[in-house]
Order: sequence, then structure tokens, then C-alpha cells
Amino acid sequence: ELKVEQNPLFLSMQEGKNYTIYCNYSTTSDRLYWYRQDPGKSLESLFVLLSNGAVKQEGRLMASLDTKARLSTLHITAAVHDLSATYFCAVDLYYGGSQGNLIFGKGTKLSVKP
Amino acid sequence: DAGVTQSPTHLIKTRGQQVTLRCSPISGHKSVSWYQQVLGQGPQFIFQYYEKEERGRGNFPDRFSARQFPNYSSELNVNALLLGDSALYLCASSSPGARGYEQYFGPGTRLTVT
Repeated sequence: ELKVEQNPLFLSMQEGKNYTIYCNYSTTSDRLYWYRQDPGKSLESLFVLLSNGAVKQEGRLMASLDTKARLSTLHITAAVHDLSATYFCAVDLYYGGSQGNLIFGKGTKLSVKP
Repeated sequence: DAGVTQSPTHLIKTRGQQVTLRCSPISGHKSVSWYQQVLGQGPQFIFQYYEKEERGRGNFPDRFSARQFPNYSSELNVNALLLGDSALYLCASSSPGARGYEQYFGPGTRLTVT
């Protein structure tokens, strides 16, 4: 059974600081997704990582994927209040051929304070 | 282009009743997946349909069923509702391409069972 573990589950940061969220998964997969969710809202796609060593950046967020270690990271640079949200990583259920069945971690609730 | 749409937005039902949730995918997308998100947890995969055929099913009881129509819209049915079925139900549509089966989520239907 594929398991996806995120840590930390809760993260309180000060504006301007850097931090990393970790996502470990238990079996091989060639697709890793990061989503953002604001309270009471749906999921917003942030990154899709498709291969080992993939790195993508958007604004203050950067995501990377190490398929050998079964680890993805979401790095936050110089956090601002607008980044406060819950961040989920998700992995495809099937290796080598996605069938669009994502297994999600429990999420990391990020709070950025002035 | 319109994104994924879901109806209704909110729904209140009584234990034992039946409910039908509806989803319209992004134009051109042939795959629809359903997820259940209980408050404070990550989304859990329920079903995936592609070209009107069931392609995946999560660990949910037979009270949950779904179907996809020729126009690729989809319905999720839940019979004999339990209090534990209270959740945000998310629909996602996807289409194979350079980003793999990236899933675009709708706004969700919030179901409350009393």
C-alpha cells in the first residue's frame, strides 16, 4: 500500500525566514504533485514533478524530487503572509503509467506571521 | 475556458438518505476522479473514470458508486448516508499530456450528514 508522509504537519514561520517541507513516499512513482489549499477552498496545483532530479520554482516556492530516496521537498524562501495555507504532496498510485489516482499526504499547515 | 464545475456547492442530508453529486470536467478532458476530504485530512481517492469506464477505485464501501456520461461529466452517488460521510467531495479532471495526468480540481461539494 502506497503511503505518503509529510512533515512537519504544522509550521509556524516568521516573515522573511526560509523553511522546507518534506514529503516521503513508500513505493516507486514517477510523478509527484504539490497542491495548495486555502481554508474552505479547493486545491490549487503548484508543481508537477515528473522525473528524478526535477526542480521547479515559482516565486518563493521551489520543489524538488529524488525518486531514488522517494523524497520530495518544498522549499519556502523569505516567507510572506500570503503563503499561509495548507500544502499537500500527492503521488500517483501506479508507477510507470499514471491513472490519475493520487494518494495524498496529510498536509502541512503553514502559518506565516509578521 | 471554464474550469471544473461541481454542484451543488453545499448539501445537508439526514442519516440513511441518498445523495448525488455532479461534476463537469474541463472541456476536452476525458478523465474524472472523485476524492473525499474529511476536515483536517488530505483528500482520499474514491473513483476514477476515463472514457466512461471505471479505471480505479479507492478503499470505499459499496455504498459509493459513480458513473461517467458520454459528455464526460460524472455523478457520484452515496447511499445509506452515515455521519462519517460528512466531508468535502472534490472532483478532478485530467487529460494526458506533457504534464502527465495532472488533475485540476473543482470547487468541491460540502456534504453535511446529520
